[in-house]
Amino acid sequence: EAAVTQSPRNKVAVTGGKVTLSCNQTNNHNNMYWYRQDTGHGLRLIHYSYGAGSTEKGDIPDGYKASRPSQENFSLILELATPSQTSVYFCASGEDREGEVFFGKGTRLTVV
Amino acid sequence: GQQVQQSPASLVLQEGENAELQCNFSTSLNSMQWFYQRPGGSLVSLFYNPSGTKHSGRLTSTTVIKERRSSLHISSSQTTDSGTYLCEGNTGNYKYVFGAGTRLKVIA
Repeated sequence: EAAVTQSPRNKVAVTGGKVTLSCNQTNNHNNMYWYRQDTGHGLRLIHYSYGAGSTEKGDIPDGYKASRPSQENFSLILELATPSQTSVYFCASGEDREGEVFFGKGTRLTVV
Repeated sequence: GQQVQQSPASLVLQEGENAELQCNFSTSLNSMQWFYQRPGGSLVSLFYNPSGTKHSGRLTSTTVIKERRSSLHISSSQTTDSGTYLCEGNTGNYKYVFGAGTRLKVIA
């Protein structure tokens, strides 16, 4: 089974600070995704990537940047964290978006 | 507006009862997928189902893509089925939308 590992699993950040969430997948999938999950909203796509060097905006990209330096790694960057970005963040990977998608265990971010 | 309607929002079952979860989309889709989210958060893919019916153990997924709907049937529920069930639709051009989920609790 594909492994998707997120770090950190929990993070408390200060308003205005920079936060980097990391994701690593070991199954050589081309596609990787960052979602956030909030009560009443389900999962919402922030950024995604087709492969190393590519990043694309999802449905709610404002306030977030993404970086895909390699096939295995996909980072989500909050340059100036705000309390509205308090959420649970999930990374996912898949070989083909129309096939099975594998999720990490999530990162709980609290911005105070 | 809301693109995905999942119903029911929550459900309590006695162990052994069956459940039917529904997902309806307001936009056209290329495919649909069902996920299970454990209490505590981790997500597991249950079915990728662009059309037709698929079975996995006590679970059955039926998708009618032209009608933009999918259902998940759980038979003979068990306490370990408790959690949240999410549907997701691929609307094309790498756009994916998720329902808010059905929170299922199965009691012994």
